[in-house]
Amino acid sequence: EDQVTQSPEALRLQEGESSSLNCSYTVSGLRGLFWYRQDPGKGPEFLFTLYSAGEEKEKERLKATLTKKESFLHITAPKPEDSATYLCAVQVTGNTGKLIFGQGTTLQVKP
Amino acid sequence: NAGVTQTPKFQVLKTGQSMTLQCAQDMNHNSMYWYRQDPGMGLRLIYYSASEGTTDKGEVPNGYNVSRLNKREFSLRLESAAPSQTSVYFCASSEGLLLYGYTFGSGTRLTVV
Repeated sequence: EDQVTQSPEALRLQEGESSSLNCSYTVSGLRGLFWYRQDPGKGPEFLFTLYSAGEEKEKERLKATLTKKESFLHITAPKPEDSATYLCAVQVTGNTGKLIFGQGTTLQVKP
Repeated sequence: NAGVTQTPKFQVLKTGQSMTLQCAQDMNHNSMYWYRQDPGMGLRLIYYSASEGTTDKGEVPNGYNVSRLNKREFSLRLESAAPSQTSVYFCASSEGLLLYGYTFGSGTRLTVV
């Protein structure tokens, strides 16, 4: 069964304290891995797509990396406005295009 | 740009009542989706439409129906609401089915009593 697991469930950081969020996956075949950010009361906002092991993508203080079994979202020198829930999703090979979402990591950055 | 617009934002239903959640996108996207989000369960796909004129079941389709009215609009109908359908519902769209990031609406918070 295709599965996506994110850890930790919650993370509290001080402003400027860098850390990483983990997304591990077990799938029959990976077409792509997606990262989204979700603010309270809002829909998820697309951040990155990663296609193959070794790939990296960056956006401001966020950097996403991909291996054959997991992805990391590195947050460098976070600010309070980075506080949100970060969702990971995988798209498996085949024609459906269905995304399988993890349960998310809720990040709180304190000033 | 509006992006993906969902209505209503909040709704309370009694068990057995029916309702339709509306979704419209203005990005000329081909594919549209309905997800539900529950605590501890993550986002789960209910139905999707790869392109205008097609719809397919997702992971949790029971108790729901959908209509792709045109390229812009994709509605979700609950024929006889049950408390288990209490959830936050998100509509999303993408340029295509494969390897495109989704644009999500702001959600409908539905409570069935």
